Amino acid sequence: DTAVSQTPKYLVTQMGNDKSIKCEQNLGHDTMYWYKQDSKKFLKIMFSYNNKELIINETVPNRFSPKSPDKAHLNLHINSLELGDSAVYFCASSLTTGKGYTFGSGTRLTVV
Amino acid sequence: AQKITQTQPGMFVQEKEAVTLDCTYDTSDQSYGLFWYKQPSSGEMIFLIYQGSYDEQNATEGRYSLNFQKARKSANLVISASQLGDSAMYFCAMREGPNNQGGKLIFGQGTELSVKP
Repeated sequence: DTAVSQTPKYLVTQMGNDKSIKCEQNLGHDTMYWYKQDSKKFLKIMFSYNNKELIINETVPNRFSPKSPDKAHLNLHINSLELGDSAVYFCASSLTTGKGYTFGSGTRLTVV
Repeated sequence: AQKITQTQPGMFVQEKEAVTLDCTYDTSDQSYGLFWYKQPSSGEMIFLIYQGSYDEQNATEGRYSLNFQKARKSANLVISASQLGDSAMYFCAMREGPNNQGGKLIFGQGTELSVKP
């Protein structure tokens, strides 16, 4: 039933490890996103995919690699995790235009 | 550059009273959309209300209304009859379009609302 679901909800890992966050939407939206919320709660776009095509890559280190196997899925893989990567990562989806813009429940990543 | 400004880092309101959360924006586009989201302490982002730049009427959704003043580039959120469950962080966001195929939202800094019993 969940419109945008992302897993896991919590992720604690050591520096240098590689981890993935998965996201799926069942809303029939054509665009999916990854946002990062920092410790001051500021939200910023990282990536945007439209119909599996990368549209936005917002000055994100290339250790972050999004992958969209189909319109309903957008995963985020992070290599060589650093302390500064600790944040909450939100997946979202929308139609290209219009008011429907739905967020997942977030993944709290803690790098130790 | 596109920008969203929320000038109230924190606000208090008495239960059952109305409260206005301020949001101003800056864009050179004629077509854009404005969103408000609520983020409770549990962390999820809950969509509250949307206003399109060409919408002539102010948007309303239950106890939420958006006071849209286009010439002043403001999109304030009004919550009527505040409830304890309204205590949360509130974000204003803007999406430019329809040419913005990326569809990204630009967020303000947020306002932490506390409702007092």
